[in-house]
Amino acid sequence: KAGVTQTPRYLIKTRGQQVTLSCSPISGHRSVSWYQQTPGQGLQFLFEYFSETQRNKGNFPGRFSGRQFSNSRSEMNVSTLELGDSALYLCASSPAGGSGRAIYNEQFFGPGTRLTVL
Amino acid sequence: AQSVSQHNHHVILSEAASLELGCNYSYGGTVNLFWYVQYPGQHLQLLLKYFSGDPLVKGIKGFEAEFIKSKFSFNLRKPSVQWSDTAEYFCAVGANNNDMRFGAGTRLTVKP
Repeated sequence: KAGVTQTPRYLIKTRGQQVTLSCSPISGHRSVSWYQQTPGQGLQFLFEYFSETQRNKGNFPGRFSGRQFSNSRSEMNVSTLELGDSALYLCASSPAGGSGRAIYNEQFFGPGTRLTVL
Repeated sequence: AQSVSQHNHHVILSEAASLELGCNYSYGGTVNLFWYVQYPGQHLQLLLKYFSGDPLVKGIKGFEAEFIKSKFSFNLRKPSVQWSDTAEYFCAVGANNNDMRFGAGTRLTVKP
């Protein structure tokens, strides 16, 4: 099976612009999660989508949004970019099922999109 | 939501030394526990996981972790590290509905 793919791999933007990142999960995985990785902060959870619905959300401002399509592919959008948004954005897919004890928590990560805001 | 804390930000060891990385979490319900590793320039990958049963779990490359429910801990151990274990290690806690939270990570440097 092909792994999680993310595009683009690198992106340079300026403050105030907006950006859209894309993630294609492993075939058959219905859950897609997004994380922001910065030095010293580790991975901070942005949100998780399952069956085109945002199911879990972290503590990020409304400038960060996402969506999931019927084929489970997901996009993440950041509007009005700030310098502090510079980070590696990771997407992870999981074969998670519906509600109930999460035996499908294991996440498979993509290579990330390195976003630099100037 | 659950939270995860990793006690050590940077650990430096010599080859053959023993390793223990601390991880504590805060959550009142049932959790699944994970350790992920990120080698330089590579994707995050799963090292080991605990869902239920034996609280001592073994992962890849000789790593193991012990879940101590009373202490809300899931510490990672390896009896003898190698230079190739140099990486960043992340503890993660998953709750119901795939709500997954990660710790800030511990950078491990193994000196040859």
